[in-house]
Amino acid sequence: ETGVTQTPRHLVMGMTNKKSLKCEQHLGHNAMYWYKQSAKKPLELMFVYNFKEQTENNSVPSRFSPECPNSSHLFLHLHTLQPEDSALYLCASSQVLPRTGELYGYTFGSGTRLTVV
Amino acid sequence: GQNIDQPTEMTATEGAIVQINCTYQTSGFNGLFWYQQHAGEAPTFLSYNVLDGLEEKGRFSSFLSRSKGYSYLLLKELQMKDSASYLCAVRDRNGGFKTIFGAGTRLFVKA
Repeated sequence: ETGVTQTPRHLVMGMTNKKSLKCEQHLGHNAMYWYKQSAKKPLELMFVYNFKEQTENNSVPSRFSPECPNSSHLFLHLHTLQPEDSALYLCASSQVLPRTGELYGYTFGSGTRLTVV
Repeated sequence: GQNIDQPTEMTATEGAIVQINCTYQTSGFNGLFWYQQHAGEAPTFLSYNVLDGLEEKGRFSSFLSRSKGYSYLLLKELQMKDSASYLCAVRDRNGGFKTIFGAGTRLFVKA
């Protein structure tokens, strides 16, 4: 496999369910991200992991819980979500250079289309 | 804080040229990116500008003016497959190189 792989592609869950989204990157990048994309709204940064350490938590509700066990894998654990959390959840990775940031942008996965009922 | 503005929608004709503008406000500018996103698919990286001027890559070019907080993406010889959303994104060195995205411009290419 190449690039950034996200599973599942589609997920329907009830408000009391617990589920997890998975992201895996095969690019040797050192940073991974979770973004939320809702209709007609900008991509919203949720979490950033740099060298496996969480460096950003963009005021995300605690019902979203990220996990980054190594530099290639990223999870988003979901618990007691609300209908307004229905959106496309995108994982991305990049190679961050220490002083300049990433030079080649992000590589995004295909996303998980989440519907909360 | 950061603010990124780009038009919501544009329509252009196959074979023509279209320019998609982006204005931004950020305190620690550290680069501007353009991404293409087809409906139902992931965004894909198109271009990166960190210095003023024009970067050309095939049919696509991107321009940056840091003093004006302004960029544009120029698409030449439009093809039907160019119908997509184009996302402008700005990286801010404050807070650890955070990248903020605009809402995107939906481009419709008609025959």
